[in-house]
Amino acid sequence: DTAVSQTPKYLVTQMGNDKSIKCEQNLGHDTMYWYKQDSKKFLKIMFSYNNKELIINETVPNRFSPKSPDKAHLNLHINSLELGDSAVYFCASSQGSPTYFGPGTRLTVT
Amino acid sequence: QQQVKQSPQSLIVQKGGISIINCAYENTAFDYFPWYQQFPGKGPALLIAIRPDVSEKKEGRFTISFNKSAKQFSLHIMDSQPGDSATYFCAATPFNTGNQFYFGTGTSLTVIP
Repeated sequence: DTAVSQTPKYLVTQMGNDKSIKCEQNLGHDTMYWYKQDSKKFLKIMFSYNNKELIINETVPNRFSPKSPDKAHLNLHINSLELGDSAVYFCASSQGSPTYFGPGTRLTVT
Repeated sequence: QQQVKQSPQSLIVQKGGISIINCAYENTAFDYFPWYQQFPGKGPALLIAIRPDVSEKKEGRFTISFNKSAKQFSLHIMDSQPGDSATYFCAATPFNTGNQFYFGTGTSLTVIP
């Protein structure tokens, strides 16, 4: 059983487009996150949601908008994609500690 | 500002050798220190974690050593195997608060057969 799942796994798109990444967790966790991993593999948190409420919003362009329709889902919508948005995006969830990560979505903006 | 500093950036070890990765932190509010292992194309997966009430935790070939006064902790991989080749991240967070993890910058480990 997949604990944290993301779709799609790969996303190739052109600059200026709008795209979404979906995330679901079946662990019953209260907190979900989006992390960005750049080409140097540095992991940086973007957003954190607890019970559908935004609790962490790091310095991220407002082109990125998370949406949590329910406790088990946290989707990431990105407007007006830029070349610099190319990265691997990980969804994660936790109930306290530790954090469980999804398999990642590799976004390539051309 | 990097909350958790990790070194080395890359590490090459012979099969059967000991791999050692070090991390340091400043925030004394941190009291949960996990290590994550990430294989290419996969998400980070929890490997082992420690809380500062103990100085060492061992699980199989993996050991965390923790020095609270120095605010340092390290991962030791004994009898390193080619299958251990991956990127390792240390992290720190206040325990059980649901707060974000602060990750180190990662160490790319290559174990040579």
